[in-house]
Amino acid sequence: AQTVTQSQPEMSVQEAETVTLSCTYDTSESDYYLFWYKQPPSRQMILVIRQEAYKQQNATENRFSVNFQKAAKSFSLKISDSQLGDAAMYFCAYRSVPYDMRFGAGTRLTVKP
Amino acid sequence: NAGVTQTPKFQVLKTGQSMTLQCAQDMNHEYMSWYRQDPGMGLRLIHYSVGAGITDQGEVPNGYNVSRSTTEDFPLRLLSAAPSQTSVYFCASSYSGTSGNTIYFGEGSWLTVV
Repeated sequence: AQTVTQSQPEMSVQEAETVTLSCTYDTSESDYYLFWYKQPPSRQMILVIRQEAYKQQNATENRFSVNFQKAAKSFSLKISDSQLGDAAMYFCAYRSVPYDMRFGAGTRLTVKP
Repeated sequence: NAGVTQTPKFQVLKTGQSMTLQCAQDMNHEYMSWYRQDPGMGLRLIHYSVGAGITDQGEVPNGYNVSRSTTEDFPLRLLSAAPSQTSVYFCASSYSGTSGNTIYFGEGSWLTVV
C-alpha cells in the first residue's frame, strides 16, 4: 500500500525567511501525482501545489516550490518569504488512482513575526 | 459558487445513535468521497463513489454506509455511533479521468460521540 511520511510534526520560521517541509512516500507505481495541501485553523483544505511524477521539472507557485526527487521518493515543499498567513498545518498527499488520495500526518508550521 | 457543501457542520451524538452526514456538489463531478481526520493523522478515505449507483470501500470503512442515488449527493451514514468515530469528516469531489484532477473539499463536519 502507498504510504506518505512527514517526519516533521512541527516547524517554525521567522517572517520573511525560507522554510522547507519534508515528505517521503512509498509506492511501486510509476505514474502518480503528489500534492501539498494547507489547512488553516478553519480546517479548510487548500491546494498549494501539485507535481506530476512524469515531469522532471519541479513545480512552482509564486512563493511555493517543490523539490521532487523521484528515485529517492522525496517531495519537499519550500516556502520563500514566509508570511504570517502561511501559518497552518501542511499535508503532503499522494494519488495514483483518481478516487483515493493518501495523506501524510501533517506538519504544523508556525510563523514568527 | 457553492462547490462542495456539507451539513451539519457540528454534531454531538450519544453512543449507539445513528445519523447521516450530508454532502452535495454542484460541479457535476463523477467522483465523490468521504474522509475522516483524526488528531495527529492525515485524512483517511472511508468510502468513495465513481458515479451514481456505484460505491466502494476505502481505507477505513467499518461503521459507515454510503449510497449515491444522484450525481450531486453522497450521504455518509453512521448506523450505531461509537466514541471511536469522533472525528472531523470531509466530503470531496473531482472529475473523473487522471489522478491529477483537482479534488474539491467541503469545509468539514465536526462529530463528537459521547
